[in-house]
Amino acid sequence: QVQLQESGPRLLKPSETLSLTCTVSGDSISSHFWSWIRQPPGKGLEWIANIYTTGNTNYNPSLTSRVTISADTSKNQFSLKLNSVTAADTAVYYCARLGGNGDTAYYPMDVWGKGTTVTVSS
Amino acid sequence: DIVMTQSPDSLAVSLGERATINCKSSQSLLHSSNNKNYLGWYQQKPGQPPKVLISWASTRESGVPDRFSGNGSGTDFTLTINGLQADDVAVYYCQQYFSTLPFTFGPGTKVDIK
Repeated sequence: QVQLQESGPRLLKPSETLSLTCTVSGDSISSHFWSWIRQPPGKGLEWIANIYTTGNTNYNPSLTSRVTISADTSKNQFSLKLNSVTAADTAVYYCARLGGNGDTAYYPMDVWGKGTTVTVSS
Repeated sequence: DIVMTQSPDSLAVSLGERATINCKSSQSLLHSSNNKNYLGWYQQKPGQPPKVLISWASTRESGVPDRFSGNGSGTDFTLTINGLQADDVAVYYCQQYFSTLPFTFGPGTKVDIK
């Protein structure tokens, strides 16, 4: 059974860097594309970025100047960094697996982590 | 960006009745190379992550009850719940994965029991 677990600091001050890691069990991160998605309190879903372990990455244009996604195959993890956070970055952050076999990113998100709440406040 | 819209914003349906949610995309999600619509439907219950119900506009994911069905092509899609059960109370999102610049979700439709 594939499981994803988000981890990282949950309280940040404005201008700090958000760093989250998604640990994957039951699957190899080299076999699929992987995503970060966020959901502000009481609002809808916003896709942030995708990664495949060859280095193939896609970013949401609205966040691309502040976001970096990376992967560590030795730990079977992938990570998200978001610079210069503000209160608008307060959200539940989810990691997810894209379906398919890693051939392309154009698949739905078929396995999700439980999410981690990140709050930005001074 | 491909903009996804959904209607209604919310609906309340009696137990056992049908719920219908509409999703429209600002451009076609039908890929000419394989005749597939790159559209998924997700269910999100309070305090839980989303769960994919339908992929490719009409393919039910493994384990999803057959009361859930997806239809449509191009820019107009529908999720139908036939015989609403109490466990179906949730917010439902459509999502396009036709373009990664960026992937986009609809705003969601909240389904409640009347």
